[in-house]
Amino acid sequence: DIQMTQSPSSLSASVGDRVTITCRSSQSVHTFLNWYHQRPGKAPNIMISTTSILMTGIPSRFSGSGSGTQFTLTISGLQPEDSGVYFCQQSLSMPYTFGQGTSVEIK
Amino acid sequence: QVQLVASGGGVVQPGKSLTITCSVSGFFFGSYAMHWVRQSPGKGLEWLAAVSNDNLDRESTASVKGRFTISRDNYRNTVSLYMDNLRGEDTAVYYCVRSHAPFIDRSQFDFWGQGTLVTVSS
Repeated sequence: DIQMTQSPSSLSASVGDRVTITCRSSQSVHTFLNWYHQRPGKAPNIMISTTSILMTGIPSRFSGSGSGTQFTLTISGLQPEDSGVYFCQQSLSMPYTFGQGTSVEIK
Repeated sequence: QVQLVASGGGVVQPGKSLTITCSVSGFFFGSYAMHWVRQSPGKGLEWLAAVSNDNLDRESTASVKGRFTISRDNYRNTVSLYMDNLRGEDTAVYYCVRSHAPFIDRSQFDFWGQGTLVTVSS
């Protein structure tokens, strides 16, 4: 199975800050990497697919980059509604696997 | 709008079986593969099983293979997960999830249901 590791596990930042979350895979997933956001008590919601494709309705302050084994999710100008947990997921091969999550708190 | 409503969760004793079902609406069900993903505090998000749009391809993760079976009914617009020989570590919120495509390969999870809680306890 492909192991996904995110860093940091949690972060606290102020409104307007630039935030970067890293996701590493145990082997190359090429660009088959997706990002999800989960608010407390809610289901995850896909934000970025295939490393860098912003899903419909996702603000342009979100961006994704990377390839191979290292990927980043960047929030350029953190907003209060961005709090929650962010997960990466590899879609190269089954079993599909997720990172352990990064909890984002607004100061 | 796209809706996935899971039902059938509850408290079940270890060793027993349970079927959870997801009813979908708001899109043409027969065009998309479907998945089940679960989330527990100890193990985070775990992909469990997938079924292609035409019911011909199925796959599941090793930890549930032989115990869990995914199926779909394209006439009733439902996808189900039959879970047998349940264990305490199967306690989790179970999400019904739509894939972005009809096949189970290279799946992105573009719509999620609200989840149904399964608690395995005596």
